[in-house]
Amino acid sequence: GDSVTQMEGPVTLSEEAFLTINCTYTATGYPSLFWYVQYPGEGLQLLLKATKADDKGSNKGFEATYRKETTSFHLEKGSVQVSDSAVYFCAFVDTGRRALTFGSGTRLQVQP
Amino acid sequence: GAVVSQHPSRVICKSGTSVKIECRSLDFQATTMFWYRQFPKQSLMLMATSNEGSKATYEQGVEKDKFLINHASLTLSTLTVTSAHPEDSSFYICSARAEADTEAFFGQGTRLTVV
Repeated sequence: GDSVTQMEGPVTLSEEAFLTINCTYTATGYPSLFWYVQYPGEGLQLLLKATKADDKGSNKGFEATYRKETTSFHLEKGSVQVSDSAVYFCAFVDTGRRALTFGSGTRLQVQP
Repeated sequence: GAVVSQHPSRVICKSGTSVKIECRSLDFQATTMFWYRQFPKQSLMLMATSNEGSKATYEQGVEKDKFLINHASLTLSTLTVTSAHPEDSSFYICSARAEADTEAFFGQGTRLTVV
């Protein structure tokens, strides 16, 4: 069935370090892919998305490229900040469905 | 982005009692609302989808008599956990969307602890 696998956390980095959070998906159709972020005490917010193969979503210095051949959508940022500390969720919505399928979330802790 | 308010953020209840969680879209009309549940270190699992004025559509394995969902208006959906048991302790999150193929916005989540 449909599923998302993302790396377990917590991921602890120093400020200005490079970030990668891996995400792979299993879907039956042609999904749209998303990264959501949840800051402490807040709801999930859409960070970026990509709707077709080879699309690159980007926002706030974060990027992810829709790789259909490897069914992946890895999140990257070149230089993290303390304010990026949050939980990051990879998700997709498959063709014909309306609800998102989520990964388990990865907690990122950035230390000054 | 649009705001979805979920209340309460935390609730502790005794086993056998019922708990109601509210999800409100504050600045848009939500034709569709989704309810998710998250166990520790696991994915958000979709429980049900509700459209305003219609009965909710529950995912396989979710007990509709235990998790009562009401979507009586375009700005409010409620999830009632009836006769709660400790195994119902979890993190519940709602999501609301104005129309099909538009972005869904999420509430802050509710941490339910049944003792």
